[in-house]
Amino acid sequence: AQSVTQLGSHVSVSEGALVLLRCNYSSSVPPYLFWYVQYPNQGLQLLLKYTSAATLVKGINGFEAEFKKSETSFHLTKPSAHMSDAAEYFCAVSDQNTGFQKLVFGTGTRLLVSP
Amino acid sequence: GAGVSQTPSNKVTEKGKYVELRCDPISGHTALYWYRQSLGQGPEFLIYFQGTGAADDSGLPNDRFFAVRPEGSVSTLKIQRTERGDSAVYLCASSPWAGGNEQFFGPGTRLTVL
Repeated sequence: AQSVTQLGSHVSVSEGALVLLRCNYSSSVPPYLFWYVQYPNQGLQLLLKYTSAATLVKGINGFEAEFKKSETSFHLTKPSAHMSDAAEYFCAVSDQNTGFQKLVFGTGTRLLVSP
Repeated sequence: GAGVSQTPSNKVTEKGKYVELRCDPISGHTALYWYRQSLGQGPEFLIYFQGTGAADDSGLPNDRFFAVRPEGSVSTLKIQRTERGDSAVYLCASSPWAGGNEQFFGPGTRLTVL
């Protein structure tokens, strides 16, 4: 069965500092991987996705993630945090066994940005 | 254009009651998904529709949960004999078609069972 592990339920950074949110996945077949962001009282918004093309994926708002098969990781990074980046971030995986429809989410990481 | 909408935004009910949660997907999207997000957890898959038919309902927790999409657009998630453990945010998403496409999420319906 697929699964996603997000290390750290909360990550705190200062404005302008590097953001690193960790995601490790488990999948027996090549996965699709996603990062979503959730602002309070809003729906999930896709930041970026990996679909077996380039291993370094660039998304919206300056975020990017690198697929590392050897480490089964898909960590999310941003060089310089903004106050507006404070939100909950979810990593998710799907695979060809499910036709890439069923997303399996991690438990989320809340990013806190201080001035 | 309009995104995915869900109604009501909040629903408070009593244990044992029946509830219906509605999802209006983005116009033209053929795939529709329901997820449930409990407090402090990530969303969990419930059911997926391709057109009018439920292509995968493996995430429905038990037979008290049922979902329909009779005309291939609006979907209703129905919960019978609600229990306190059903309290969660129910999320709906749609995509133009299935298969690795981005799922566009609605804001969710927060269900509270007293």
